[in-house]
Amino acid sequence: DAKTTQPTSMDCAEGRAANLPCNHSTISGNEYVYWYRQIHSQGPQYIIHGLKNNETNEMASLIITEDRKSSTLILPHATLRDTAVYYCIVRAYSGAGSYQLTFGKGTKLSVIP
Amino acid sequence: DGGITQSPKYLFRKEGQNVTLSCEQNLNHDAMYWYRQDPGQGLRLIYYSQIVNDFQKGDIAEGYSVSREKKESFPLTVTSAQKNPTAFYLCASSTGQLPGELFFGEGSRLTVL
Repeated sequence: DAKTTQPTSMDCAEGRAANLPCNHSTISGNEYVYWYRQIHSQGPQYIIHGLKNNETNEMASLIITEDRKSSTLILPHATLRDTAVYYCIVRAYSGAGSYQLTFGKGTKLSVIP
Repeated sequence: DGGITQSPKYLFRKEGQNVTLSCEQNLNHDAMYWYRQDPGQGLRLIYYSQIVNDFQKGDIAEGYSVSREKKESFPLTVTSAQKNPTAFYLCASSTGQLPGELFFGEGSRLTVL
């Protein structure tokens, strides 16, 4: 699996967009980019995933560069409840049950009032 | 409501005792997983199961055992052979059909005295 690099921590003002970067320069053509977040002492929560195209859902947008070597998770209007550790993961899909995702240390996002 | 239930939420045990953590899901998911998380660290995969009566070792299986006798249940036993068992344990499940999401439980925090 491709390795990812994320900043250790970031701050964002409440109500502003939070842009969380992730580098995955060794990503392969069949590897998806996943984003999860973990609020303190809770289980991680799935946010979004993508392969090549940009994706958007009710929680966030995922922007993947054309060369797929980096991506950005965008929380359009950050709230205090978005304070969490955000994990960027890349993983190839190879059939049923292949979600042995590897979680690194992620980015600690602090939303400031 | 559908989801994953882990119990107990907090558990204290003496060194040398085996401990079993429960994980039950009513999402009708085929695949289930156990992760371990140490303070300030990411998640590490212990065991996973893609189907009933079958499971595979993850990255840190030594000192742990699992069973998968029913689709909805995937208990984890932390044995006395696990040298540093104090940690936050997370159970997850997935459909295994698409490169989609892992659903996590709320976790079990084990402290060995």
